[in-house]
Amino acid sequence: DSGVTQTPKHLITATGQRVTLRCSPRSGDLSVYWYQQSLDQGLQFLIQYYNGEERAKGNILERFSAQQFPDLHSELNLSSLELGDSALYFCASSLRAFWGDTQYFGPGTRLTVL
Amino acid sequence: GENVEQHPSTLSVQEGDSAVIKCTYSDSASNYFPWYKQELGKRPQLIIDIRSNVGEKKDQRIAVTLNKTAKHFSLHITETQPEDSAVYFCAASTNTGNQFYFGTGTSLTVIP
Repeated sequence: DSGVTQTPKHLITATGQRVTLRCSPRSGDLSVYWYQQSLDQGLQFLIQYYNGEERAKGNILERFSAQQFPDLHSELNLSSLELGDSALYFCASSLRAFWGDTQYFGPGTRLTVL
Repeated sequence: GENVEQHPSTLSVQEGDSAVIKCTYSDSASNYFPWYKQELGKRPQLIIDIRSNVGEKKDQRIAVTLNKTAKHFSLHITETQPEDSAVYFCAASTNTGNQFYFGTGTSLTVIP
């Protein structure tokens, strides 16, 4: 167990809908990262937050957004969902914003868009 | 941006043999290279990492080597066991790049 929690474990929804994925980092970690893992795209970095502020952006679509709250938990919002958004979404946390810090992954949320 | 290539995509070895997975990167500024193991349906777990000021690092049966000149790094697993069967991902990052660039993964099967 990495100490990173994610909810829900599974999510099934329809095209056009909006969902929110939640992540709680390890105790003491200030950075949260979101990743998407799909069969055809592999593991892709979406976005990083550090102590409540957006720190880095990867291949995140405009339909997706995220935020990190004062208690350091983070939410990833996915809207206008398409079939291609079906994937495993992982969050990870690390102590600092430094990309050389070890990242600990949560168990993931499996999103299925029908 | 950085481009990380990983080979092979699949690897089968007999239990007790060694396994080697190789990754190449393109950005000479990359300075941190972690390896993750992901079992089916589970989260990626860091198994070993190396920084650009080190050429080799070992942890029991696993080791990572880095050749900065050639821009490649490799994961070595010795005395493989069935529980080593998983997908292994390499990654590269820089402090200025603010991203992890993952390889496409290697599915390792250890045959008992």
